[in-house]
Amino acid sequence: DSGVTQTPKHLITATGQRVTLRCSPRSGDLSVYWYQQSLDQGLQFLIHYYNGEERAKGNILERFSAQQFPDLHSELNLSSLELGDSALYFCASSVELSNRYGYTFGSGTRLTVV
Amino acid sequence: SQKIEQNSEALNIQEGKTATLTCNYTNYSPAYLQWYRQDPGRGPVFLLLIRENEKEKRKERLKVTFDTTLKQSLFHITASQPADSATYLCALVYSSYKLIFGSGTRLLVRP
Repeated sequence: DSGVTQTPKHLITATGQRVTLRCSPRSGDLSVYWYQQSLDQGLQFLIHYYNGEERAKGNILERFSAQQFPDLHSELNLSSLELGDSALYFCASSVELSNRYGYTFGSGTRLTVV
Repeated sequence: SQKIEQNSEALNIQEGKTATLTCNYTNYSPAYLQWYRQDPGRGPVFLLLIRENEKEKRKERLKVTFDTTLKQSLFHITASQPADSATYLCALVYSSYKLIFGSGTRLLVRP
């Protein structure tokens, strides 16, 4: 157990639907990062939050949004889902902003869009 | 844009040998370079970090080198074991604090 908790572990939903993925960072970590991993794309950076504020954005689609709450947990919202959104979604956390100590990843949420 | 290249072909070696994995990048050098291990269906696990002003870092059977002139990092596992079989990811940190991953190299260690 890495200390980063992601729920749910698996999610199957239909095209056009909306889902929310949840992440609780490791205790004491203020930064939360979201990544998407599909077979042909590798790990793609989506977004970074630090202590409730958005700090960096990657190739995140407009249909996707995220937020980090005062208790530091984060949610990734995916809407108008398409077949191509099927992937593993990972959350990672780190203790500070600059990431000098490596990220701790959760076990991921496997999203299947049918 | 920045590109990170790792050998997409699997590295297949005999137990006890040294595995060497390569990570090449384009454009400017990152502040830090990290290596992660990922097993199928699992999240990456942080292994080692090396800073741009460091040449080499070691941790038990692992060694990482960082050559900013060649724009390359090498990741070595000495006395490899079947349990070392996994995908190894190189990742670069830039001033925007984004961690950008390479596509990874799969290592297979035969008993």
